[in-house]
Amino acid sequence: DADVTQTPRNRITKTGKRIMLECSQTKGHDRMYWYRQDPGLGLRLIYYSFDVKDINKGEISDGYSVSRQAQAKFSLSLESAIPNQTALYFCATSDTRETPDTQYFGPGTRLTVL
Amino acid sequence: AQSVTQLGSHVSVSEGALVLLRCNYSSSVPPYLFWYVQYPNQGLQLLLKYTSAATLVKGINGFEAEFKKSETSFHLTKPSAHMSDAAEYFCAVSSGSARQLTFGSGTQLTVLP
Repeated sequence: DADVTQTPRNRITKTGKRIMLECSQTKGHDRMYWYRQDPGLGLRLIYYSFDVKDINKGEISDGYSVSRQAQAKFSLSLESAIPNQTALYFCATSDTRETPDTQYFGPGTRLTVL
Repeated sequence: AQSVTQLGSHVSVSEGALVLLRCNYSSSVPPYLFWYVQYPNQGLQLLLKYTSAATLVKGINGFEAEFKKSETSFHLTKPSAHMSDAAEYFCAVSSGSARQLTFGSGTQLTVLP
């Protein structure tokens, strides 16, 4: 079984719709991250959470929100989706006790906003 | 501030030839450096990481990378390419107390028969 899972794996939605992407992990890590990947731009950090009560904005947080429901769950929401949010979204986890705290990635969610 | 530059968005090599993927970083403090690989329709998988223990780092699948502080480089190499190495490769840097990862834009490796 995968250590970091993301649901859904693929999603097509329309402009203006609210959508939630979910991430779960069984690695027991305290830190979780959301990234988006666009061709030629690599991965860019949207939000990150060092524990359940600590959530921080990343490089490109506008238009997104997150919720850390438990240590193992971190969800990303698009309140009103727009076409330029079409991208591949990755969740990652890391362990503060590891030096350096290496990030481990989920399989990704391909989101298309029409 | 930290940044990563990967020279060459696309690299093609023949099967059996040397693979060299270039990565240069910028960091105001001693960095940690990583190489990840992304196969089609998959997430990122860690290839190797530099933690300051040794400048030559060996990873999975026969890859290795050498940290050169004077050149601010962390190039990825493999002596003999295999068809299964075809993928996109990302270099990333982590530094400072927040230890956030900053990724390069990626290099797509094609292996020709």
